[in-house]
Amino acid sequence: DIQMTQSPSSLSASVGDRISFTCQASQDISTFLSWYQQKPGKAPKLLIYDAAILETGVPSRFSGSGSGTDFTLTISSLQPEDNGRYYCQQYDKVPITFGGGTEVDFK
Amino acid sequence: EVQLVQTGGGLIRPGGSLRLSCAASGFSVSGYYMSWVRQAPGKGLEWVSVIYGGETTSYADSVKGRFTVSGDDSQNTLFLQMNSLGVEDTAVYYCARGIYYDYVFDIWGQGTMVTVSS
Repeated sequence: DIQMTQSPSSLSASVGDRISFTCQASQDISTFLSWYQQKPGKAPKLLIYDAAILETGVPSRFSGSGSGTDFTLTISSLQPEDNGRYYCQQYDKVPITFGGGTEVDFK
Repeated sequence: EVQLVQTGGGLIRPGGSLRLSCAASGFSVSGYYMSWVRQAPGKGLEWVSVIYGGETTSYADSVKGRFTVSGDDSQNTLFLQMNSLGVEDTAVYYCARGIYYDYVFDIWGQGTMVTVSS
């Protein structure tokens, strides 16, 4: 199975900050990577797929980059509603697998 | 409105069985890869199973031989039959629609808690 490793596991930032966090795959997955945001008690929400394509309706402050084994999610100007846990997911090979997540909260 | 509404779940003894349901509206489940994803308390997301074309299925190794996914076109509903449950199966279970490349999930059910405990 392809292992997905996210870092950091948590980060604290201020409203308006530009933040980034990473996801590393244990093998080359091309750009078959998506990002989800999950808030407590809620289902995940799709943000980005194909490493860099923004899902319809997702604010443009979210962006994704990377290919192969290393990927990044960036929030250009953190907003109060952006708190939550962010997961990457590879869909290059079944079983699809998720990273352990990065928790974003506010200072 | 395109949505998935889940029912089922609850408290079950180890070794027991449970069936989860996931009713779709606004689209036909038979036209998509439909997956189940679970999340143990305080943990990350784990893909469990998929069904597509109404009958082709695949499972994570952790549930293979114990869980069965099925669909009912007449009810436009997805099911997950879970047998021989163990404490390690305790989790919130989500159904999800695969929209891009079959396994990028754009619509999720609200989730249902399954607790396996004696």
